[in-house]
Amino acid sequence: AQSVTQLGSHVSVSEGALVLLRCNYSSSVPPYLFWYVQYPNQGLQLLLKYTSAATLVKGINGFEAEFKKSETSFHLTKPSAHMSDAAEYFCAVSETNTDKLIFGTGTRLQVFP
Amino acid sequence: DGGITQSPKYLFRKEGQNVTLSCEQNLNHDAMYWYRQDPGQGLRLIYYSQIVNDFQKGDIAEGYSVSREKKESFPLTVTSAQKNPTAFYLCASSQREGSDTQYFGPGTRLTVL
Repeated sequence: AQSVTQLGSHVSVSEGALVLLRCNYSSSVPPYLFWYVQYPNQGLQLLLKYTSAATLVKGINGFEAEFKKSETSFHLTKPSAHMSDAAEYFCAVSETNTDKLIFGTGTRLQVFP
Repeated sequence: DGGITQSPKYLFRKEGQNVTLSCEQNLNHDAMYWYRQDPGQGLRLIYYSQIVNDFQKGDIAEGYSVSREKKESFPLTVTSAQKNPTAFYLCASSQREGSDTQYFGPGTRLTVL
């Protein structure tokens, strides 16, 4: 079965600094990998999705993620943080041959002025 | 506008009462899902349905029940058997056949008094 690990439950950066949120999946390559963002008291919004077409995936709001098979990673980055990026971010992988997604435990991003 | 609606946004329940959370989608998606979200635990799958009149238990189905009588509707009942029902509940839907992207509703926050 697939599993997802998000290192760091909280990440703090200054406005304008690089954002790096880490995600590692289990050893078997999943069909799809996702990053979602959740603002307080709201549902999850899709940031980006990896489908094996390209290892570098660009998403909304200036975020991107790179799939690295050798490291079993799918880290999320943004070159310059904005105050509006403060939210909780979830990495997810698709479970092979099902319609299910397996979610990580989330990383809360704080952005300081 | 296409999307997923959940109602109510906030719900209060007395101990021992059953309560039903509504989830409706007009995206013509085949699959629908219910998740429970608790602080620091990410999203945990309660039930999911891949087709009308069929549904499967997720990881934490005890104390919950669902029905799928219509393609667009997937209500969740939190029964009195659920020992700790206070949580944020999220409904999602996806188009089957190779997409796997799940789209989320705004959530319902249930508080047991």
